[in-house]
Amino acid sequence: GDSVTQMEGPVTLSEEAFLTINCTYTATGYPSLFWYVQYPGEGLQLLLKATKADDKGSNKGFEATYRKETTSFHLEKGSVQVSDSAVYFCALGGSGGSYIPTFGRGTSLIVHP
Amino acid sequence: GAGVSQSPSNKVTEKGKDVELRCDPISGHTALYWYRQSLGQGLEFLIYFQGNSAPDKSGLPSDRFSAERTGGSVSTLTIQRTQQEDSAVYLCASSSGVYLNTEAFFGQGTRLTVV
Repeated sequence: GDSVTQMEGPVTLSEEAFLTINCTYTATGYPSLFWYVQYPGEGLQLLLKATKADDKGSNKGFEATYRKETTSFHLEKGSVQVSDSAVYFCALGGSGGSYIPTFGRGTSLIVHP
Repeated sequence: GAGVSQSPSNKVTEKGKDVELRCDPISGHTALYWYRQSLGQGLEFLIYFQGNSAPDKSGLPSDRFSAERTGGSVSTLTIQRTQQEDSAVYLCASSSGVYLNTEAFFGQGTRLTVV
């Protein structure tokens, strides 16, 4: 079945450092790909998405490119802020006729001043 | 309301008791999902409702778990004879569900603690 593998956290960075959170997937069909973010004490919210190969999703300085050849959707940000501290989830939209999104385990990001 | 609403936000229950968790999805969203988030784990799919179709119950971990969705809107997740391993955050999400690339909108979850 479909699955998502994310790098384990926590990822600890200093403010203004470069961020990469790796995400790879296996899926039947060609699902849309998503990054969700969960800030402390809040629910998950969509950060960005890409719907087809080579699409780049971007929001709030974060970017991720849908790479079909490497089945990856790595999240990057050039300069992180303390306010980016959160848990980040990579997810597949439904594929192969299923509408059920599949989520990774989440990667905790801690940014120090 | 504007977003997905879940209640209660926290629930502490004794082992063996039944609990009901409620989800109010975004108005007009036909798809509704329940997930479970345990410490250090990802989101575990539980059940999926789409319009008036029969729900996809393939993620329910045991027959102690059940869910219903009334009138295509509000959903209730029921856990009977709770066990300590049921302690987790239960998340509800809804989406328009029309296309495979639609995002899911999440509630803030119900934190269930079984003592």
